[in-house]
Amino acid sequence: GENVEQHPSTLSVQEGDSAVIKCTYSDSASNYFPWYKQELGKGPQLIIDIRSNVGEKKDQRIAVTLNKTAKHFSLHITETQPEDSAVYFCAASWGYSTLTFGKGTMLLVSP
Amino acid sequence: SQTIHQWPATLVQPVGSPLSLECTVEGTSNPNLYWYRQAAGRGLQLLFYSVGIGQISSEVPQNLSASRPQDRQFILSSKKLLLSDSGFYLCAWSVLSSDLTDTQYFGPGTRLTVL
Repeated sequence: GENVEQHPSTLSVQEGDSAVIKCTYSDSASNYFPWYKQELGKGPQLIIDIRSNVGEKKDQRIAVTLNKTAKHFSLHITETQPEDSAVYFCAASWGYSTLTFGKGTMLLVSP
Repeated sequence: SQTIHQWPATLVQPVGSPLSLECTVEGTSNPNLYWYRQAAGRGLQLLFYSVGIGQISSEVPQNLSASRPQDRQFILSSKKLLLSDSGFYLCAWSVLSSDLTDTQYFGPGTRLTVL
């Protein structure tokens, strides 16, 4: 089955810096890669996703890149703010399969 | 728009007691439904998923069970809780899109503490 590795497990940045979280996947058939943000005590919230026919997608300060050949995808957050502090999960799936999640990255943004 | 509800929000139960957590989805038909568990500081563990009424797939053998009595209702149950059942339980829904991608949307979760 699919295996998703996520790094780093913890990331600390200063407000205004950029943050990058990286994930690798094992199943070359995977074609869908969402990212979720989970604030303390809440359910994960979808923040951005990318499909295998696209190399990059942006939404304001958030961007995701996908390298199908290397089987890795990354989340980029620019101009980080304290409210970006949360746990971020990447995931991968294909067709009718269920999502396989990474273990999460705790992002801490210091004012 | 679609909305997902979970209740209760928090629950404290003694070891050996029964459990029933409920999840309902509004604004969509025939969704796929999922139960996840998240231990403190850990990732998301898929417990059950359902593609239709009465259709349940179990990912992890344990003392939990799931049922889907109605199209938009998903219930997680246990006859006798264990200490290890403590955690944050998340329900999610999805509808397979035309490009065969399956975006999942999560509910607010139930915090279960077994004492």
